[in-house]
Amino acid sequence: DVKVTQSSRYLVKRTGEKVFLECVQDMDHENMFWYRQDPGLGLRLIYFSYDVKMKEKGDIPEGYSVSREKKERFSLILESASTNQTSMYLCASSLTTVRSGNTIYFGEGSWLTVV
Amino acid sequence: QKEVEQNSGPLSVPEGAIASLNCTYSDRGSQSFFWYRQYSGKSPELIMFIYSNGDKEDGRFTAQLNKASQYVSLLIRDSQPSDSATYLCAVWVGGFQKLVFGTGTRFLVSP
Repeated sequence: DVKVTQSSRYLVKRTGEKVFLECVQDMDHENMFWYRQDPGLGLRLIYFSYDVKMKEKGDIPEGYSVSREKKERFSLILESASTNQTSMYLCASSLTTVRSGNTIYFGEGSWLTVV
Repeated sequence: QKEVEQNSGPLSVPEGAIASLNCTYSDRGSQSFFWYRQYSGKSPELIMFIYSNGDKEDGRFTAQLNKASQYVSLLIRDSQPSDSATYLCAVWVGGFQKLVFGTGTRFLVSP
């Protein structure tokens, strides 16, 4: 069974704080993703990485950065948290190409509230 | 135009009914198509994927793909209350190496 683990499930942070969301996968997947999910907006891709130390911007990268120093770990960083970053954050991983069933597996999500 | 569009619902059916959830996409280069089920407060879980035109059946679920018309649908037979969830359509856009999601259709099955 593929396991994608998000270490922090529920966080409350203050505006301006630096926030780290950690994600670890145990299936040696090349690709890792960070999405956020908001009511009425669906899942939106923030950043993804297809290899160690590689990163690509998704659809909404502003206000976020990422780090992938090891293949199994992909971190999402909010340099200075703002209230509009209150959301559920989903980490995911996949094999190199997502087709024919090589699908994306999601972690359980991290609920972040910025006050 | 959104890349992947779904009716937000809710689509409400009685137990035992057949339901069809629909999804359209804009990129003709899309290669693979996925249906995820998401219960409230939980992460999405894959229930079907399809990449060839036609139908693909798995138990009570059938995914239907029509690339010429750029739509994909999910048929749920003998709907159960446990099927009540939000169903997310996702499209793999290979050129950009990303999975694009629709906003989801809320599906409710009443006992």
